[in-house]
Amino acid sequence: DTAVSQTPKYLVTQMGNDKSIKCEQNLGHDTMYWYKQDSKKFLKIMFSYNNKELIINETVPNRFSPKSPDKAHLNLHINSLELGDSAVYFCASSQDVASYEQYFGPGTRLTVT
Amino acid sequence: KQEVTQIPAALSVPEGENLVLNCSFTDSAIYNLQWFRQDPGKGLTSLLLIQSSQREQTSGRLNASLDKSSGRSTLYIAASQPGDSATYLCAVSSTGNQFYFGTGTSLTVIP
Repeated sequence: DTAVSQTPKYLVTQMGNDKSIKCEQNLGHDTMYWYKQDSKKFLKIMFSYNNKELIINETVPNRFSPKSPDKAHLNLHINSLELGDSAVYFCASSQDVASYEQYFGPGTRLTVT
Repeated sequence: KQEVTQIPAALSVPEGENLVLNCSFTDSAIYNLQWFRQDPGKGLTSLLLIQSSQREQTSGRLNASLDKSSGRSTLYIAASQPGDSATYLCAVSSTGNQFYFGTGTSLTVIP
């Protein structure tokens, strides 16, 4: 059973479109995260939710809007996609904030043309 | 703001060799440090987690150490195998519930 799953795995779309990436974890964790990995493989945190509440919101354009309908899900919606949004987006979860091990999803490779 | 650096950026070793990967961080006020492995086109797999109160953790051929005062961690891999070839990332969680990743070390183990 997959602990942290993301859909879709690949996403190719044109500039200006709106798209969503979904994430689900079946580990019973309280905290979920979205990370962006750029072309140089550098991973940077974007958002973190704890018990459906936003606790970290890094300097990310407001075109990115996370939504957590429940503790097990954290979706990422992106409006008006730009070329620079092309990257791999990883979802992760941990039992609680900061002190616990992170578990990562397989990633979603977003390509904006 | 926490900055995490990994040296070297790339490493190539013959099979069977022992090796050390380095991770340094600028702010010693951390909760924990985690080492990950990332295979090409894949997600991250957790290897070892060291809490701030610990000095080291071991799992099989892997040993990770933590020296908070000097802002350093090392990942020691014994008797390397071709299957160990991957990118190794360290991540530090510090105050404010933030996680900061290093730039990674790309390891190639030559058969």
